[in-house]
Amino acid sequence: NAGVTQTPKFQVLKTGQSMTLQCAQDMNHEYMSWYRQDPGMGLRLIHYSVGAGITDQGEVPNGYNVSRSTTEDFPLRLLSAAPSQTSVYFCASNPTGPFTEAFFGQGTRLTVV
Amino acid sequence: SQQGEEDPQALSIQEGENATMNCSYKTSINNLQWYRQNSGRGLVHLILIRSNEREKHSGRLRVTLDTSKKSSSLLITASRAADTASYFCATDTGNQFYFGTGTSLTVIP
Repeated sequence: NAGVTQTPKFQVLKTGQSMTLQCAQDMNHEYMSWYRQDPGMGLRLIHYSVGAGITDQGEVPNGYNVSRSTTEDFPLRLLSAAPSQTSVYFCASNPTGPFTEAFFGQGTRLTVV
Repeated sequence: SQQGEEDPQALSIQEGENATMNCSYKTSINNLQWYRQNSGRGLVHLILIRSNEREKHSGRLRVTLDTSKKSSSLLITASRAADTASYFCATDTGNQFYFGTGTSLTVIP
C-alpha cells in the first residue's frame, strides 16, 4: 500500500517556466490537499479538493492551479514559476473531511532560479 | 497572519523525561490536530481533538484543549530518542486549515 505518492522529489526550474507536481493516492480518499512549507513557517494550504471535479482555494492559492479529474490524482500546476515559489510542497489525502486526519506524501523540493 | 503558534520553538530533554509543547490559536475551531515531522519527511498525524473535548490520550501522548484560552498542549511521556522530530499543531476553522510554526524536539539518549 503506497499511500500518497508525490513526483518528482526534487526539481529546479527557471523563472517563468511551468511545471506540474504530481500527487496520487491509493486509499480511495475523497479529500486531497496541497501545502507549501517554507523555513520558519508552518505548512500553508494552497488548494484542496472535496471530490472529483471540486476544488477550492486555501490560504495561499495565487500562482497555482489545480484540477481533480479522478479520485486518485490531484496535480498542482505552476504556470509561470517565480523565485517566491521556492519551497517544499506536500500533498495530502484525508478520509473523512478536508481538514481532518491527513496522510501526507514525502514532499517535492522545488527551487526556482 | 498565521492561526497557530507553538512554544517553545525548540526543546531538548533527556530520554525518559516528559516533553510538553503548547499551541495557541486565534479564531474558533472545529478541531485541533497534532502532527510529527521527522527531518526531510512528510508529516504524520498523531491525534485529533474536537472543540467539545477537553482531553484526549493516545499511547504516550496526552492532548488538552482549552477553547476559552484558545490553546492546546501536547504531552509526550517517557520520551525516547525516536521521538526526536518537529511537532506541529493544526486547526480546522471550518473553511481553512492552518498549521503552526512547530516545536523542534530533541531527545538525548
